[in-house]
Amino acid sequence: QSALAQPRSVSGSPGQSVTISCTGTSSDVGGYNYVSWYQQHPGKAPKLMIYDVTKRPSGVPDRFSGSKSGNTASLTISGLQAADEADYYCCSYGGTYNVFGTGTEVTVL
Amino acid sequence: EVQLLESGGGLVQPGGSLRLSCAASGFTFSNYAMIWVRQAPGKGLEWVSAIAASYGTTYYADSVRGRFTISKDFSKDTLFLQMNSLRAEDTALYYCAKIYSSGTFDDWGQGTLVTVSS
Repeated sequence: QSALAQPRSVSGSPGQSVTISCTGTSSDVGGYNYVSWYQQHPGKAPKLMIYDVTKRPSGVPDRFSGSKSGNTASLTISGLQAADEADYYCCSYGGTYNVFGTGTEVTVL
Repeated sequence: EVQLLESGGGLVQPGGSLRLSCAASGFTFSNYAMIWVRQAPGKGLEWVSAIAASYGTTYYADSVRGRFTISKDFSKDTLFLQMNSLRAEDTALYYCAKIYSSGTFDDWGQGTLVTVSS
């Protein structure tokens, strides 16, 4: 149940794209198509942005997209906006457990 | 509208106990699995425990197994987390969330703060 590995921070200018990686093992990320991504603004509860690797809940802009290759999942934010500045966490199902990533701070320059 | 309202947090001494509650409304509580997630001050999210929708199957992180117990009261639409033998490293904001599907938590409460300190 080790935390999934994410970069500590990524940054981009408004309008640019950024990609956040999330690396696990064959027991979690690589073993199931159940990776989700959460956005958390300071002092707020996490918000679901992507689930089942690529699906977007209703109301989440299509600027947010997810993918997976092997044991690594990725979240891409296109057309970066100031409101996207937040912490992002991936999460994977692992059969009898769930495990979150270490978290990535996204900064809009 | 789904609402999840946590309560029961507070200051407790090491070795002490605390019971967290999460009052649910706006959905059929018995149809959904639920989880507890915690976040230590300035740190990331950590999955703590999960409970199946209606049959009561439970799951725990290695860090809390044997000390924490998750349960549901269907008559009150309330999720609980009984925390025993608390340690300083259990200090965190504890969130409850509704499980939409495997690994997907679509609705979250605002959290209740647990501080373990002498």
